[in-house]
Amino acid sequence: AQKVTQAQTEISVVEKEDVTLDCVYETRDTTYYLFWYKQPPSGELVFLIRRNSFDEQNEISGRYSWNFQKSTSSFNFTITASQVVDSAVYFCALQSDDKIIFGKGTRLHILP
Amino acid sequence: DTGVSQDPRHKITKRGQNVTFRCDPISEHNRLYWYRQTLGQGPEFLTYFQNEAQLEKSRLLSDRFSAERPKGSFSTLEIQRTEQGDSAMYLCASSLAFLPYEQYFGPGTRLTVT
Repeated sequence: AQKVTQAQTEISVVEKEDVTLDCVYETRDTTYYLFWYKQPPSGELVFLIRRNSFDEQNEISGRYSWNFQKSTSSFNFTITASQVVDSAVYFCALQSDDKIIFGKGTRLHILP
Repeated sequence: DTGVSQDPRHKITKRGQNVTFRCDPISEHNRLYWYRQTLGQGPEFLTYFQNEAQLEKSRLLSDRFSAERPKGSFSTLEIQRTEQGDSAMYLCASSLAFLPYEQYFGPGTRLTVT
């Protein structure tokens, strides 16, 4: 069975703090893709990153960074120097074959 | 705009009524997916098409739900005899028909059943 677990349902931090969103996944497939999406209050899903299962290199994009560890089946997302505009629901997701399996999301509140 | 579009963006209906949503994928994309997102949950897969063929349906897709993609371009999702539990955001995505099947999501249709 494939599953994505985001144990943190809601997080609040003060602006400029760093925050890490956790994601743990389960799959028996050897080839798969992992994603992070942002969903602001408007409801649209905003694609942030895709990693394939053969690429464990961590990635940094501006204030965002991702830590992929196959040994622990984790794909964590860190926002450095958070801003109020980062407030949203963040989804981790897993794709193998055709469909994407989403976690339940972490609601992130950045307090001014 | 060449992204995935969905119509309507919002729909309010009374219980028992039928509703139909439309999704227009990115023009060169062969695959089209439907997901449903209820409050506080992540999107859940409903069904997908490759061209006009419906290749997979989730068990979430009850008999009251039907999806079509008659000409392999736009798709419709119809819900018959709506129930309050059908209230959700219905998301459409499209992709090319080869790995990594990168899916591009539309803005969604928010359905409220009163």
